[in-house]
Amino acid sequence: GDSVTQTEGLVTLTKGLPVMLNCTYQTTYSPFLFWYVQHLNEAPKLLLKSSTDNKRTEHQGFYATLHKSSSSFHLQKSSVQLSDSALYFCALRGTGNTGKLIFGLGTTLQVQP
Amino acid sequence: DPKIIQKPKYLVAVTGSEKILICEQYLGHNAMYWYRQSAKKPLEFMFSYSYQKLMDNQTASSRFQPQSSKKNHLDLQITALKPDDSATYFCASSQDRHSQAPLFGEGTRLSVL
Repeated sequence: GDSVTQTEGLVTLTKGLPVMLNCTYQTTYSPFLFWYVQHLNEAPKLLLKSSTDNKRTEHQGFYATLHKSSSSFHLQKSSVQLSDSALYFCALRGTGNTGKLIFGLGTTLQVQP
Repeated sequence: DPKIIQKPKYLVAVTGSEKILICEQYLGHNAMYWYRQSAKKPLEFMFSYSYQKLMDNQTASSRFQPQSSKKNHLDLQITALKPDDSATYFCASSQDRHSQAPLFGEGTRLSVL
């Protein structure tokens, strides 16, 4: 079945450093991937989305490229800020065209001064 | 102003009781969803509706019943509540179920004692 794997539960970084949050997926359908960010006690908000192979998509300084050959959609930023501290979810549109999203377990990013 | 309104924001219930979580969206979207977030399963898909028709149900228990009285409403009735039902329940919507990323409401935080 469809699944999403995020390998890191917690990533702690100093402000100004680059970050990469890993996301791999499994599906038999044409993949459509999303990154959502959730700040404490808030709703998840869309950060990025892509269904195009090998095309970089960017928003608010974050970027990701869908690589169908490696089933990956890693999230990157060149210089993290304190305000980037949040929970980041990778999600895959599920097979069956019902609109369902399958979320990974999430990665908490903690940015220190 | 929030475009997806969930009521109540917080809810405390007694084991065995029944509650209804309210969701209304004012975005003109045709697809609506329910997701659950708990410590055990960070973001778990429950239901999807398209044009007021149930498209997908990933909830194992019949204690969870979505109710769509109007196109922009998707309430969630939960009966025979258990402590394990304690979670934040997010309503979400999208223009359609095909390629749009869902927008999430602020959630209802349910505690079952």
